[in-house]
Amino acid sequence: DVKVTQSSRYLVKRTGEKVFLECVQDMDHENMFWYRQDPGLGLRLIYFSYDVKMKEKGDIPEGYSVSREKKERFSLILESASTNQTSMYLCASNGQIPNTGELFFGEGSRLTVL
Amino acid sequence: KQEVTQIPAALSVPEGENLVLNCSFTDSAIYNLQWFRQDPGKGLTSLLLIQSSQREQTSGRLNASLDKSSGRSTLYIAASQPGDSATYLCAVRRETGANNLFFGTGTRLTVIP
Repeated sequence: DVKVTQSSRYLVKRTGEKVFLECVQDMDHENMFWYRQDPGLGLRLIYFSYDVKMKEKGDIPEGYSVSREKKERFSLILESASTNQTSMYLCASNGQIPNTGELFFGEGSRLTVL
Repeated sequence: KQEVTQIPAALSVPEGENLVLNCSFTDSAIYNLQWFRQDPGKGLTSLLLIQSSQREQTSGRLNASLDKSSGRSTLYIAASQPGDSATYLCAVRRETGANNLFFGTGTRLTVIP
């Protein structure tokens, strides 16, 4: 069974803390994505990566960074967490075109910043 | 830029009813379209994927259709059940560009027992 695994389902952090969200996929996918989801705003892309050590900014990269040292792992880093980063974070992956391109998501990480 | 719209934002139906969810997109140059289900507090679960060369896909009580030329897709759910209650999202993948995935904002479905 194909899988995208996010390491933490629920996190509570304090303002100013450094936060790591980890995502691992077992499908040998080239592309990996980090989204945040907030009520009324839908899914918004933070960063994505189409290869090891490659990263591209999405629509809302401010306050975030990413790391992709291995193909299967894509990490989202909040250098100094702020209350407005309280959100649901979703990781996803898919293959390069002309692969079928089916997108798979992890279970999500609910982050609360106090 | 591709825009993806899902109307209505919310829908309530009695159990057993057949229903149709709609997804429209502005740019017909798509590679595929995917329907997802999301339960509260969870990630998105893939339901059906339609490649641009296909007209429809079926899985159990679900049938998704695609009309590229008109920029529309529908998700048909037969004989709805309370367990179908969830938010349904569609996403289109464009043929080109690195950031080539575009999501609708979803339709929240409630099936009333």
